[in-house]
Amino acid sequence: DAMVIQNPRYQVTQFGKPVTLSCSQTLNHNVMYWYQQKSSQAPKLLFHYYDKDFNNEADTPDNFQSRRPNTSFCFLDIRSPGLGDAAMYLCATTPTGEKLFFGSGTQLSVL
Amino acid sequence: AQSVTQLDSQVPVFEEAPVELRCNYSSSVSVYLFWYVQYPNQGLQLLLKYLSGSTLVKGINGFEAEFNKSQTSFHLRKPSVHISDTAEYFCAVRRMDSSYKLIFGSGTRLLVRP
Repeated sequence: DAMVIQNPRYQVTQFGKPVTLSCSQTLNHNVMYWYQQKSSQAPKLLFHYYDKDFNNEADTPDNFQSRRPNTSFCFLDIRSPGLGDAAMYLCATTPTGEKLFFGSGTQLSVL
Repeated sequence: AQSVTQLDSQVPVFEEAPVELRCNYSSSVSVYLFWYVQYPNQGLQLLLKYLSGSTLVKGINGFEAEFNKSQTSFHLRKPSVHISDTAEYFCAVRRMDSSYKLIFGSGTRLLVRP
């Protein structure tokens, strides 16, 4: 059974139209991450939560926001997607940082 | 700041041949080291990790890696690869303090040919 679930698997949005990606977990882990992965590149950390404590990376654009209403759910909001935001978005969780559990990702296309 | 370098973007090998995927890191503080694998259209999964102790660590699917502090390397090896090992392999580091930030290298695509 999937433990970190990302919906949808594929998301198509229009240039400038807000979009929300979702992630849920059944593992009850304290830490949740959002990574952006472009083709043939390293996954890039956007932000992570320790419980409700939000940690934004310095180079994450303001266009990217996140919400974590409870332990199980985390959302990535892209307020005005540009063509350069087309990527795979990966959600991950961990209890201690020694092992991350990844979802299958959401592939975002911007038209 | 920490960084991870994977110099080989793609490594082609024949089935049953040995393989080594290279990883070098840079950090001003002590780090933990990891290798993750990503199969097509899937998320990443942990292959192995070095936290402390023996510098030779063994992971799943017959992979192993050796931590070399003097050379700041953590190369991944497998003595005999299978077609099913074809995937993208990512090396990653995390600081030994309370930070949960995991930094990935750019990945190496292992292509196993029959």
